[in-house]
Amino acid sequence: GQNIDQPTEMTATEGAIVQINCTYQTSGFNGLFWYQQHAGEAPTFLSYNVLDGLEEKGRFSSFLSRSKGYSYLLLKELQMKDSASYLCAVQDSNYQLIWGAGTKLIIKP
Amino acid sequence: GEEVAQTPKHLVRGEGQKAKLYCAPIKGHSYVFWYQQVLKNEFKFLISFQNENVFDETGMPKERFSAKCLPNSPCSLEIQATKLEDSAVYFCASSQSAEGGYEQYFGPGTRLTVT
Repeated sequence: GQNIDQPTEMTATEGAIVQINCTYQTSGFNGLFWYQQHAGEAPTFLSYNVLDGLEEKGRFSSFLSRSKGYSYLLLKELQMKDSASYLCAVQDSNYQLIWGAGTKLIIKP
Repeated sequence: GEEVAQTPKHLVRGEGQKAKLYCAPIKGHSYVFWYQQVLKNEFKFLISFQNENVFDETGMPKERFSAKCLPNSPCSLEIQATKLEDSAVYFCASSQSAEGGYEQYFGPGTRLTVT
């Protein structure tokens, strides 16, 4: 079966760094997406990885290891507005997005 | 338009009634996706369209759920004879392509409450 695992909830301090992990087992792989979803709102795109390595985009970076079925999202210089759910989604061999349950990130002052 | 539009924002139906949700994709996007999100849990893929053609319907419940994307009209998702477990937020997303690397842009969602 297809499975995506991420921690349910994480807490971090404003100004700090946090890493959100995602492991996956899917039938085929055509890339991994990270989305941010604030409560009551639609998800917004953060990053896409299809090759191994680190993709950096401002305060956010995303890493992928296809051999390990593993990705992480790294958030630096945390701000209160970063409090949200972070969703990991893998595009399988049929280009269908398989979603994790999301990680709720709580930022404390 | 520049954003995915979904209507209505909220929809309340009694069990057994019909519910119809609408989605207007971003202009120029040829792919539309429907997802169901129950109680803030993970998204469940329902169906996708390439223009007016069904692209992937493997997530669509065989009974009671149907969807269409007709030319020059918003796409629609219809639930016949709603059940309590259909209560969820239904998100529509659009994309230039269904292939890897093309992000999906999400609408604000329609919250369906079945009583």
